[in-house]
Parts: sequence; structure tokens; C-alpha cells
Amino acid sequence: SQTIHQWPATLVQPVGSPLSLECTVEGTSNPNLYWYRQAAGRGLQLLFYSVGIGQISSEVPQNLSASRPQDRQFILSSKKLLLSDSGFYLCAWSLNTLYRQGAYQPQHFGDGTRLSIL
Amino acid sequence: AQSVTQLDSHVSVSEGTPVLLRCNYSSSYSPSLFWYVQHPNKGLQLLLKYTSAATLVKGINGFEAEFKKSETSFHLTKPSAHMSDAAEYFCVVSDLRVSSTFGDGTTLTVKP
Repeated sequence: SQTIHQWPATLVQPVGSPLSLECTVEGTSNPNLYWYRQAAGRGLQLLFYSVGIGQISSEVPQNLSASRPQDRQFILSSKKLLLSDSGFYLCAWSLNTLYRQGAYQPQHFGDGTRLSIL
Repeated sequence: AQSVTQLDSHVSVSEGTPVLLRCNYSSSYSPSLFWYVQHPNKGLQLLLKYTSAATLVKGINGFEAEFKKSETSFHLTKPSAHMSDAAEYFCVVSDLRVSSTFGDGTTLTVKP
């Protein structure tokens, strides 16, 4: 069965410090990968998604970046954190169904990282 | 373009009474639709999915949803609420795009 691991669970960082959040998926190959941010009491905002190694699409301009160095590894980074980067960050994966029209697969989520910027 | 509207931001029910969480969608293609549940400080868990098979979909924890194309709706129901059902619920539409569109969420409160 497939599993998704996301760490750390909580993180407190000062403004201006760098960030690296990691997500790995096990039990599947060539998944689609996603990073979301969820502000307190609000819905999900898609930040990045990836359909393959080195292929990253950004949905929202910001000071965050994402990388996919391996097939099942997805990393969210920042060089200098802002106060507005605080939130709950979620990683997700789905089967890559780009060429299977009509067979859309759900996304499966990690447990999230609570990021607080001081 | 696709969109999803969760018609209620908050729903409050008493334990043992029915639950109805409403979701309307818009899609230029034949979509897939999903409901997720999120407990505090947790990730989203898939409750059920519609992928162009049976229009009445049964999910985990006694939840079900009915796809109504004519009404562009996918409402989530449960016959009898349990205290453990208190959480945030998200309706999601997915079609030819890689990424899905999430509703803003409905907070379900269950009163004893």
C-alpha cells in the first residue's frame, strides 16, 4: 500500500531564516505531487505541483520554491521566510492520470507541518 | 474552468440526527468529485469519490453522497451524526487539469 511521510510536524522559525520541508511517498511510482498551504480557519491554497522529476509548476507567486530531486521526494523551500509564510503546509500525491481521461484519481495527504514564523 | 461551492461554512447538528453538507460544482468536462474530512492539525482524509460510475457513492464512516448532474450537486449525507464526525469537510472537483479545485470547507459541529 502507498504511504506518504511529511516532516517535521511542527516548526518554529524566525523571520528571514531559510526553510526546507520534505515529503516522501512510498509504494507507488511516478506520482503527481502537490504542496498546499492552509491558513488558520481557511481552505487549501495550491502552491506547487509536479508531474515528474524536475518538473515543477507554480500556482501562486511567492518567496517559496519547490523541487523534486527524486521520483517520490518533494521539497518545499524558502531562502528567507516572511511572517506571512506562517500556516499549515500539506503535501499530497495522486496517481498520474494525465492520459487516462475520465479516470481522475483523488489526492492523498500527509499529516502536515505547522509552521510558525516569529 | 472548474469551480466548487460549499454552500454552508458552518453546520451544527445534534448527535444522532442526520447530517447534510452541500456542495455545488462547475466543470467543462465530466468531472470526478470527492469529499475529504480534516480533523484539527491533521491532513485530509478521503471520505468518498465519484468517478462516473454509480451516482450514489458510499464512503467510510457511514457517509454517502449523490452525484446529480442536472443540479450540478454532490451533497454529503450521513443518517446519524456521531461526536467523532465533528471536523472540517472539503468538497473537491477534478477534471482534465492535473490539480483539483477545493471548496472553502464546511465546519461540522456535533452537539451532545
